[in-house]
Amino acid sequence: DTGVSQDPRHKITKRGQNVTFRCDPISEHNRLYWYRQTLGQGPEFLTYFQNEAQLEKSRLLSDRFSAERPKGSFSTLEIQRTEQGDSAMYLCASSFGGARYEQYFGPGTRLTVT
Amino acid sequence: KQEVTQIPAALSVPEGENLVLNCSFTDSAIYNLQWFRQDPGKGLTSLLLIQSSQREQTSGRLNASLDKSSGRSTLYIAASQPGDSATYLCAVDTGGFKTIFGAGTRLFVKA
Repeated sequence: DTGVSQDPRHKITKRGQNVTFRCDPISEHNRLYWYRQTLGQGPEFLTYFQNEAQLEKSRLLSDRFSAERPKGSFSTLEIQRTEQGDSAMYLCASSFGGARYEQYFGPGTRLTVT
Repeated sequence: KQEVTQIPAALSVPEGENLVLNCSFTDSAIYNLQWFRQDPGKGLTSLLLIQSSQREQTSGRLNASLDKSSGRSTLYIAASQPGDSATYLCAVDTGGFKTIFGAGTRLFVKA
C-alpha cells in the first residue's frame, strides 16, 4: 500500500490554458474526493465519487471543471480555460465507505496560473 | 448549512506544554469528525476519527473528544514537542458525501 498519489505535484500554466491532474487512490478504497485549498484556509469540497459514479458536486465546480473516475480506479480533474483565481492546491483523498472510515489524502497538486 | 470554526487561529507554546485545540460546528447531525495535521505545502495526515456515537478517541499523546449536542470537539496534545509544529484541521462528515473543514489552527512549539 503506497497511499494516495497525485501527479503532477506542481503545475505552472498560463491563463486560458487547460490543465489535467491525476489521482491514484488506495486500491481497495471505493470513495474518492477532490478538494481545493487556498492559503490559510481549510480544504473546500469539490466533488465525490463512489466507485465510478460521481455522486456529488460542489457549486464551486463551475462548468470549466470536470472530473472523471473511469472504472472506479484513478481519477482525473480537468480545468479548462484556467483563470488566476484557480491558483490553489488541489487535494485528492480516498476512503472506504461508512462513517467509521478515515479519509486518506494525497500530497496535492499545486497549481499556479500566471 | 454546516459551518466549522477553529479557535485559536494560531498558537505558540513552549516545548513540554499540554495544549487544547478547539473545533465547533453548527449542525449536530454529523456522521463523524476527523482531526488532521498538515505540514507547510503538504497534504493532510489523519490523526484521529471520532464516529458520531463516540465521545473520544486516543492515539499516543493525542486525545480527541466530541460533544455533538453542543457542537464541539477538542484535540488535546500532551507534552508538546517541536515536531508537533504544524496546522491542525478538523473536518465533519455531514453524511451527504460532503466533508466540511475548518480553517485550521497553526501551532508552533518552541524548543
